[in-house]
Amino acid sequence: ETGVTQSPTHLIKTRGQQVTLRCSSQSGHNTVSWYQQALGQGPQFIFQYYREEENGRGNFPPRFSGLQFPNYSSELNVNALELDDSALYLCASSLGSYTDTQYFGPGTRLTVL
Amino acid sequence: GQQVMQIPQYQHVQEGEDFTTYCNSSTTLSNIQWYKQRPGGHPVFLIQLVKSGEVKKQKRLTFQFGEAKKNSSLHITATQTTDVGTYFCAAPISRDSGGSNYKLTFGKGTLLTVNP
Repeated sequence: ETGVTQSPTHLIKTRGQQVTLRCSSQSGHNTVSWYQQALGQGPQFIFQYYREEENGRGNFPPRFSGLQFPNYSSELNVNALELDDSALYLCASSLGSYTDTQYFGPGTRLTVL
Repeated sequence: GQQVMQIPQYQHVQEGEDFTTYCNSSTTLSNIQWYKQRPGGHPVFLIQLVKSGEVKKQKRLTFQFGEAKKNSSLHITATQTTDVGTYFCAAPISRDSGGSNYKLTFGKGTLLTVNP
């Protein structure tokens, strides 16, 4: 196990609602990245946080936002949920650059109805 | 945008047969990583390759990085049922033409199923 934890495990929301997903990084890791994985696809990079600041973003709209806290835990917030937001959301921590080895958490399965 | 292409999408083998998945990029990569995701699980890091022509082995798994650092392969010898899962390659790909703002880009993966 990587030591990266995520909550909740599963979540069901309706279109238009807002959701917050949480992640606790592996001890000693100061970088956290969030990925969206649709069924049958590879993880898609959403954004990365390093020392509490966003430090890279993928092709996701502004309604996807995040936070990193002093203890390096992190949140992913998604506003105005759409049906296509249904996916597995993965948090990954790493020692340095977000292109380094990613240690993934178990993920949060989000279903938008 | 720039992508990492992975083939095949699916591979079904009899236990004991070999398996290979390939990863290709149109640009030179600084490194390539391989991950395994079991059904219902999350990606787990397997290995990172950095050097041109690099070959690394982990028991029955052999990883190669091409001489031009544009392609890579993962070969499993004598598959076992425990090898079932999706194998992803991932590489830092620039998000702009300036060669900066890299993001770790995953291939679509190869789903391996093994018939016992």
